[in-house]
Amino acid sequence: NSKVIQTPRYLVKGQGQKAKMRCIPEKGHPVVFWYQQNKNNEFKFLINFQNQEVLQQIDMTEKRFSAECPSNSPCSLEIQSSEAGDSALYLCASSLSTVNNQAPLFGEGTRLSVL
Amino acid sequence: GEQVEQRPPHLSVREGDSAFITCTYTDPNSYYFFWYKQEPGASLQLLMKVFSSTEINEGQGFTVLLNKKDKQLSLNLTAAHPGDSAAYFCAVSARTNTGKLTFGDGTVLTVKP
Repeated sequence: NSKVIQTPRYLVKGQGQKAKMRCIPEKGHPVVFWYQQNKNNEFKFLINFQNQEVLQQIDMTEKRFSAECPSNSPCSLEIQSSEAGDSALYLCASSLSTVNNQAPLFGEGTRLSVL
Repeated sequence: GEQVEQRPPHLSVREGDSAFITCTYTDPNSYYFFWYKQEPGASLQLLMKVFSSTEINEGQGFTVLLNKKDKQLSLNLTAAHPGDSAAYFCAVSARTNTGKLTFGDGTVLTVKP
C-alpha cells in the first residue's frame, strides 16, 4: 500500500558496475530521502532533496554516488562503481517538509546484491 | 552527531505477553520521535510519531513513552500476537535540520503462539 514507488525491487550487479535505482515520491511531497539499510538492519542516511536541490549528503554519497530529483521525473540514485559492501536495501522516503511533524513515508526499497 | 541505541536487538515473547523496546538518544535537540514496524520484505510502516511536548501515546495494542529527562523513547506492545512479529525501529529527528532521521539498529520481535 506504499505510495512511494521504488524500482526495481531487486538489482544484481557485478563489482565495478553501475547500479541505478529510482523512486517516485508520494504526490505533493517535495522532500525526498535515501537511506541504506544493511543486512544487520543498520540504517545510513545517504542524501535528501527538496524539490531538485540537495539538502544534505554524506561523504560517501558525494564521492561514489550520483543522485538527482528532476522535476516531473523519478528521483534516482546511482552507484558509479559497485562494491561488495554496497549490497543492501536502499530505501526512498518522501515528506511534505523537512519539519518532521509529518513522518516520512517509505517505499518498499530496492535490494541490491553486488556479486 | 546524534546516536540512537536501541535495546534489545532480539526479543522473543509468548502470545499474550508484553514486549518492551527502548531507545536512548544523545542529542538534546531531538524533537520528533517515531516508531516504525518492518515486516520481512516490506516497507517501514509508521506506528506512531511523538513530539517533544507529549509523553505518553497510546496506539492500537501498544503504548509509547517519551522520557526527555533520560533521553529515552520506549515502545510497549501489550498482549502481543504472532502478527506483531517483525522488526521495530525507533527514529529521531532534530527540530532544526534537514529532516534527516537517525535510526536505532532495530529489534527483531518474535511472538510465539
